[in-house]
Amino acid sequence: SQQGEEDPQALSIQEGENATMNCSYKTSINNLQWYRQNSGRGLVHLILIRSNEREKHSGRLRVTLDTSKKSSSLLITASRAADTASYFCATDQGAQKLVFGQGTRLTINP
Amino acid sequence: NAGVTQTPKFQVLKTGQSMTLQCAQDMNHNSMYWYRQDPGMGLRLIYYSASEGTTDKGEVPNGYNVSRLNKREFSLRLESAAPSQTSVYFCASSGGGTKNIQYFGAGTRLSVL
Repeated sequence: SQQGEEDPQALSIQEGENATMNCSYKTSINNLQWYRQNSGRGLVHLILIRSNEREKHSGRLRVTLDTSKKSSSLLITASRAADTASYFCATDQGAQKLVFGQGTRLTINP
Repeated sequence: NAGVTQTPKFQVLKTGQSMTLQCAQDMNHNSMYWYRQDPGMGLRLIYYSASEGTTDKGEVPNGYNVSRLNKREFSLRLESAAPSQTSVYFCASSGGGTKNIQYFGAGTRLSVL
């Protein structure tokens, strides 16, 4: 069964607003990654946070990780129409595998 | 720079037919993966190959077989397709190590009637 649970399943906001999506998982991890999937396309890696890190930034993306609560959040600041996509968290448990969550579908309204 | 290439992009099969999905990567990655994605769901791992010459089952291997032909190519075979295998299939590759960042192909959309 899938390990990552994402919340919310869908999010619709106005352009310029911030978008926050959350991911929870069940077992210990080496790292946690976020991917984006545009409609009809493959997944693209966005950012990775290691298990010993608490926060990571990349451009307009901010990721936090709380290993005590087994949860992570992805914040996209100053959203743009081009950010419309599905976002997936993925946990690396070792053994060269990732376990993906069900995703958050983000819609940015102009 | 092609990255991960999947063929075909679309396929329609009748129940019981067989087919092979092809995947090739040009990044000299050791690890390769096959996932399926169903509507409203994340990706579920079918099979993976941590290195050339090895393959292992993932979460949903039933009804599928794989071949790691060489370091570049990893194929997925459906021996007798069933309507439950209607899905979008993604191949991915990874350089492995401590980061295990995966790079995905564009997907194959398969319908089994």
